[in-house]
Amino acid sequence: AQSVTQLDSQVPVFEEAPVELRCNYSSSVSVYLFWYVQYPNQGLQLLLKYLSGSTLVKGINGFEAEFNKSQTSFHLRKPSVHISDTAEYFCAVRRGSSNTGKLIFGQGTTLQVKP
Amino acid sequence: ETGVTQTPRHLVMGMTNKKSLKCEQHLGHNAMYWYKQSAKKPLELMFVYNFKEQTENNSVPSRFSPECPNSSHLFLHLHTLQPEDSALYLCASSQDGGEYQETQYFGPGTRLLVL
Repeated sequence: AQSVTQLDSQVPVFEEAPVELRCNYSSSVSVYLFWYVQYPNQGLQLLLKYLSGSTLVKGINGFEAEFNKSQTSFHLRKPSVHISDTAEYFCAVRRGSSNTGKLIFGQGTTLQVKP
Repeated sequence: ETGVTQTPRHLVMGMTNKKSLKCEQHLGHNAMYWYKQSAKKPLELMFVYNFKEQTENNSVPSRFSPECPNSSHLFLHLHTLQPEDSALYLCASSQDGGEYQETQYFGPGTRLLVL
């Protein structure tokens, strides 16, 4: 069975500073990996995804993530954050061979960008 | 955001009421999902429908009853709920099947409060 661990429940950071949100997963099979963002009072929006190919994935709003198979990690990074990046971020994994679409989510990380 | 819509956005109900949540996707997808998002918990997958057939029920209590009349609409019928059922209920859709994997797109959610 797959599981996802987001190592930080809250990450406070000052505006224009770099940020990394950590995500580790466990799975004995190949997986697809996703990062979603949830702004207050809204649903989840896809930031980026890794399906195959290059391990460095670029997403929307200047975010990127790197898939590291040996460390079973998929950390999210942004070199310079804005106040508007304040939101909840969710890492999710999906079994690569599955055709049912089941996503397993982490607990979420609250990114708090301070002026 | 017109891809996946949910109504109502907010709902307050008593434990003896019966209500329904509605989800509609305008993306031509063949799979739809209900998730429950409670405070301080990972998103919990409740139900999955592929081609209108329920393919997954994650041990959800019978007071939650899903209905998928066609591939564009998904309902969640609620009756005799408990206060601990208060949460944000998210609907999602994707195009799934075979080796072609796609991203799940989420609606804005229905914020449910059970009194």
